[in-house]
Amino acid sequence: KAGVTQTPRYLIKTRGQQVTLSCSPISGHRSVSWYQQTPGQGLQFLFEYFSETQRNKGNFPGRFSGRQFSNSRSEMNVSTLELGDSALYLCASSSSLTSQETQYFGPGTRLLVL
Amino acid sequence: EDQVTQSPEALRLQEGESSSLNCSYTVSGLRGLFWYRQDPGKGPEFLFTLYSAGEEKEKERLKATLTKKESFLHITAPKPEDSATYLCAVQEGAGGTSYGKLTFGQGTILTVHP
Repeated sequence: KAGVTQTPRYLIKTRGQQVTLSCSPISGHRSVSWYQQTPGQGLQFLFEYFSETQRNKGNFPGRFSGRQFSNSRSEMNVSTLELGDSALYLCASSSSLTSQETQYFGPGTRLLVL
Repeated sequence: EDQVTQSPEALRLQEGESSSLNCSYTVSGLRGLFWYRQDPGKGPEFLFTLYSAGEEKEKERLKATLTKKESFLHITAPKPEDSATYLCAVQEGAGGTSYGKLTFGQGTILTVHP
């Protein structure tokens, strides 16, 4: 089974721009979670989508948004980029069919904001 | 609010020198405790899920254990290829706010010297 894939792997943007990141979950998985990883804050939860609905959201500003499509693929968008948004953005998928919700992570998208 | 604390922050071992990593947690009802391994520039790789106190799981040189307040990752006779950052995460079992959300510790950076 193919793992979680994320595109692009690397991005360089300037302040004020917006960016869209994509995530394809493991086949059959319907839940996709997004995380931001920085050296100072570690891994922090952004939001989770299941069957095209956002079920949970972390403590990030409204500039961070996401969506999920009917094939479970997900995108996250960051508008009006700030220098502090430079980070590794990770998505993870799980089957969410039972209480055993192990999340499997993709390789991440490294975003650098200049 | 969920809290996860890992210790030590960094650990240097000689090849073959066994040791343990600690993960202390505070959560309102534990749905699961997860261990991941992360290599530089990559996404976290799933190792173990533990659900209830007293549970143990093993994989090659690694063994994870769980109590009501902490988890240990025991590494027996480590090899240089075990060098990585080991992350502990918890999922709260309290309904909507727990969907897809893992709360991570800051990680333990393990270096195994030949």
